[in-house]
Amino acid sequence: NAGVMQNPRHLVRRRGQEARLRCSPMKGHSHVYWYRQLPEEGLKFMVYLQKENIIDESGMPKERFSAEFPKEGPSILRIQQVVRGDSAAYFCASSLRDGYGYTFGSGTRLTVV
Amino acid sequence: GEDVEQSLFLSVREGDSSVINCTYTDSSSTYLYWYKQEPGAGLQLLTYIFSNMDMKQDQRLTVLLNKKDKHLSLRIADTQTGDSAIYFCAEKLESSASKIIFGSGTRLSIRP
Repeated sequence: NAGVMQNPRHLVRRRGQEARLRCSPMKGHSHVYWYRQLPEEGLKFMVYLQKENIIDESGMPKERFSAEFPKEGPSILRIQQVVRGDSAAYFCASSLRDGYGYTFGSGTRLTVV
Repeated sequence: GEDVEQSLFLSVREGDSSVINCTYTDSSSTYLYWYKQEPGAGLQLLTYIFSNMDMKQDQRLTVLLNKKDKHLSLRIADTQTGDSAIYFCAEKLESSASKIIFGSGTRLSIRP
């Protein structure tokens, strides 16, 4: 029973490019959460999704960031026109029920050069 | 408001007990968590406590919750080198069913 799988583990993008981060939840989990960790800081909530629905996006920047969790396939966090300030570790978590029993993936470390 | 605070660093001698402290501001917390993050890795849930409990013990880990003072602590008995990591305190709010609020983490280092 694989845990939460995130890929890629490391992603380097030039300023202005698009970054696409993928997250496959644990088997049987239908709730997905994305968090961002800036260097030397804690995790900040970005968005909570269920299949085909965004439930809470109160932590998402208003521009350039979007997330989806389609009926089939992984959840995707998309960052358009990346800037240096987007460099961070992006963690995905999944749960069986809303907010309980979070399991985190190993994260995607995005570096914008 | 939503705020979870921790001291940034803690250094202990191998074999001693480590006590990591955390304060939070929102009294509507339902669950409080301790996560461990090793270098380059994701977060591993160590333990959690429900807000109507005062204490929870799990092998070398003891969690104490003082709800009146909004203070949470994690005690690691007989600290080992493998305990070196960043420890995050986090809370789940009654008002927001989905998200968990994290502190900035306490970096625990072990000296011989």
